[in-house]
Amino acid sequence: EAGVAQSPRYKIIEKRQSVAFWCNPISGHATLYWYQQILGQGPKLLIQFQNNGVVDDSQLPKDRFSAERLKGVDSTLKIQPAKLEDSAVYLCASSLGLEADTQYFGPGTRLTVL
Amino acid sequence: AQSVAQPEDQVNVAEGNPLTVKCTYSVSGNPYLFWYVQYPNRGLQFLLKYITGDNLVKGSYGFEAEFNKSQTSFHLKKPSALVSDSALYFCAVRGSSGGSYIPTFGRGTSLIVHP
Repeated sequence: EAGVAQSPRYKIIEKRQSVAFWCNPISGHATLYWYQQILGQGPKLLIQFQNNGVVDDSQLPKDRFSAERLKGVDSTLKIQPAKLEDSAVYLCASSLGLEADTQYFGPGTRLTVL
Repeated sequence: AQSVAQPEDQVNVAEGNPLTVKCTYSVSGNPYLFWYVQYPNRGLQFLLKYITGDNLVKGSYGFEAEFNKSQTSFHLKKPSALVSDSALYFCAVRGSSGGSYIPTFGRGTSLIVHP
């Protein structure tokens, strides 16, 4: 079974530039999550999708971050414009459903904002 | 609001000795509890979870965890540590009330197993 795919693996940009990350979940997984993991901290949930609907985006900085999941499969997370404090690893995960289902994580995208 | 505390930033143990990585939580309703492990430059990997039933949960690579409702704890344990167990360990909780089941992670505990 193929795992969660993410691209790119690394990205370096300057502040005020824009960047986009892509995630392809495990086939058949209805729920998709985007996390931000700052060095030395645990993953912080940014947004959670169930199929192509948003379940929760309460921690997503909506003035600069946006995410979509078209057709309930792939997802993109965008930052525009980027700030220095956005430097982090962005993790995508998927699960069959909600509640007690195990999340499966991709390798992450390491973003450096200069 | 739900929360997870991992009180130790780092745990050091000698190979062959038992290990414990601590986790306490706060959540409304019954908790769903998870442990994940993260190796350098890799995503998180699932170890084990508690949903209901037996308080002692067994997972991957010989790890187990004990759910203690009165102490709101879910400590990760292994009877005999291996050097290859050295990694970053995260505890996570999802509340079973409130509808949205948002996952919350602790800040992680670095486990170092010495030869």
